[in-house]
Amino acid sequence: DAKTTQPNSMESNEEEPVHLPCNHSTISGTDYIHWYRQLPSQGPEYVIHGLTSNVNNRMASLAIAEDRKSSTLILHRATLRDAAVYYCILPIIQGAQKLVFGQGTRLTINP
Amino acid sequence: SQTIHQWPATLVQPVGSPLSLECTVEGTSNPNLYWYRQAAGRGLQLLFYSVGIGQISSEVPQNLSASRPQDRQFILSSKKLLLSDSGFYLCAWSRFARDRGIEQYFGPGTRLTVT
Repeated sequence: DAKTTQPNSMESNEEEPVHLPCNHSTISGTDYIHWYRQLPSQGPEYVIHGLTSNVNNRMASLAIAEDRKSSTLILHRATLRDAAVYYCILPIIQGAQKLVFGQGTRLTINP
Repeated sequence: SQTIHQWPATLVQPVGSPLSLECTVEGTSNPNLYWYRQAAGRGLQLLFYSVGIGQISSEVPQNLSASRPQDRQFILSSKKLLLSDSGFYLCAWSRFARDRGIEQYFGPGTRLTVT
């Protein structure tokens, strides 16, 4: 997998937007950018993915830089339930469909 | 809908004892299956994956092994547990669609403590 770099931790307040950055300077033209999150004592869950254009879904938005070397996961109004470790991943799509989880960003939400 | 089961939920085993963790998936056929381990305070480590019955790929050399005797059954085993085998073991299956990317679905996990 292409390498990604994320801050170890971030902190935000409830009901405020959160912008989680990810650098992936060695991304190739066919790499999809995926975001997963892991709530305490649970397995990870899919959040969002994109290739070139910005993406929105019910959980979050994904803003992808024009050169695709970085992206930002946006939580528009954070809640306490959004406290989790967020992983930015560039998986191998063909064959095994492998996800390699790095250390991710631990997001703390203050009430 | 698809469901993934893992058991047991928790396990305490002495060093040197054998291990068998089972994972089954319902509601899908020929899934890619994965075993991950998460040591306390650490990230997820991919241990094994399987793209079909009897096909196992190991990501990290260690004293664990995996088997896939049936399409939707994935087993993680060890003949002799080490203290370093303690952790949270997660089974997952995945699918890919262009509008959804790679979605991996994780089981509830087994928390293993080796004493």
